[in-house]
Amino acid sequence: NAGVMQNPRHLVRRRGQEARLRCSPMKGHSHVYWYRQLPEEGLKFMVYLQKENIIDESGMPKERFSAEFPKEGPSILRIQQVVRGDSAAYFCASSPPGSEPITEAFFGQGTRLTVV
Amino acid sequence: GQNIDQPTEMTATEGAIVQINCTYQTSGFNGLFWYQQHAGEAPTFLSYNVLDGLEEKGRFSSFLSRSKGYSYLLLKELQMKDSASYLCAVRDGNDYKLSFGAGTTVTVRA
Repeated sequence: NAGVMQNPRHLVRRRGQEARLRCSPMKGHSHVYWYRQLPEEGLKFMVYLQKENIIDESGMPKERFSAEFPKEGPSILRIQQVVRGDSAAYFCASSPPGSEPITEAFFGQGTRLTVV
Repeated sequence: GQNIDQPTEMTATEGAIVQINCTYQTSGFNGLFWYQQHAGEAPTFLSYNVLDGLEEKGRFSSFLSRSKGYSYLLLKELQMKDSASYLCAVRDGNDYKLSFGAGTTVTVRA
C-alpha cells in the first residue's frame, strides 16, 4: 500500500515561471491537505480539499496560489509567477473519508521548490 | 491566533532520556500531535493526546495537561536513528487543521 506520493521531489523554477506540485493521496483517502514549510519554521496549513471541493483555503495566499483535487487524478498545487519567497518545502497529507476528526494524517515526502 | 513553542535544539547521549516540551496557546483545542521528521523526509506520526495524562508507546511517551497548555514527548533509550526534528502540532476547534511548532532538532551523540 503506497503512501502519499508527491512529485516532483525537487523543483527549480526561475522567477516568473509557474510551479505545479502534485499529490496522490493514500489509497482509500479522499481528503487532502497542503502545508508549506519555510526554512527554520513550522509547517503552515494552506488548504484542505476533498474530491472536487475546496473545503478550507484560509492558509492560501490570496494571489498566485491555487489548488484543486479533481475527480480523477492527483491534487495539484499551482503557484503562478513564482518569486524567491515561494522557495520552501510543500507537504501534502491525506486522511480517509468519514465524519470523525482525524487522529492521524499521513504526509508525503514533500516537494522542495527552489526559485532562482 | 495560534502560538506553539518548543525548544529549537537538544543534544543527548545514546542510551539516555530526552524530554521535549511544548507549550501552546490556541483559540481552541481538539488534540495534540507529535511527529518525527528526518531531514528531507516526510513527518511521521508518533502520538496523539486529547485527554490529560501520559500515553506510552514503546520507547516514546507523550504527556498532556490541557489546563496548563503543555505537553512533552519523552524519548527513552535513545538511539542514533532518533536524531531528527520533533514537531508538536495542535488541532484547534476544526477537525482537520493542524498548527505546528517550529520543531525541536534532537541530536544523539555516541
